[in-house]
Amino acid sequence: AQKITQTQPGMFVQEKEAVTLDCTYDTSDQSYGLFWYKQPSSGEMIFLIYQGSYDEQNATEGRYSLNFQKARKSANLVISASQLGDSAMYFCAMREVWSNQGGKLIFGQGTELSVKP
Amino acid sequence: SAVISQKPSRDICQRGTSLTIQCQVDSQVTMMFWYRQQPGQSLTLIATANQGSEATYESGFVIDKFPISRPNLTFSTLTVSNMSPEDSSIYLCSVESQWGPSGGYQETQYFGPGTRLLVL
Repeated sequence: AQKITQTQPGMFVQEKEAVTLDCTYDTSDQSYGLFWYKQPSSGEMIFLIYQGSYDEQNATEGRYSLNFQKARKSANLVISASQLGDSAMYFCAMREVWSNQGGKLIFGQGTELSVKP
Repeated sequence: SAVISQKPSRDICQRGTSLTIQCQVDSQVTMMFWYRQQPGQSLTLIATANQGSEATYESGFVIDKFPISRPNLTFSTLTVSNMSPEDSSIYLCSVESQWGPSGGYQETQYFGPGTRLLVL
């Protein structure tokens, strides 16, 4: 069965520093996608970055990059130059591409990031 | 990228009543998804809604409690029936898209702003 594990319930980072949020996953499928979302206190889920299992390069989106290590089944999110507005919950999620369950996302438990001024 | 709106954004309801949540997308999509996020928890998929067919429910969720409609390719509703305080959650709809935030080809899934429900 699919599973996503985020082992850091909470993280602190100093403003302007980089931070890595951990995510490991478990799947028997060869084709899958990995997502990161940001959820501020307002509750909305903001898409940050996507990595396909066959993508050879790590995904990047502005200050966000995904450190994808397929053999280790890890997909850590790196946020560079943290800003106060980055304080939020961050969720890692996985989708099995060829699953008969369509686009169902499985979510980790989340990491609460606090950026200190 | 897909733009998704939900109504209502929040509500406070009495136990035993029902609430219908609407989800509108600005483009036609094949599948729409409904998730629940209980307080302090992660997101859990309730059901997948395809236009023209019955919704597919995840284990632990039943149609009598969470009936879903999908009348066209841009709209869906989720009803939370016979509510109890345990139904207090954020309910989010989402859609798949092949277009990323920057407009380039990228598989992703976008979420609506959510509906915060408090049942007293």
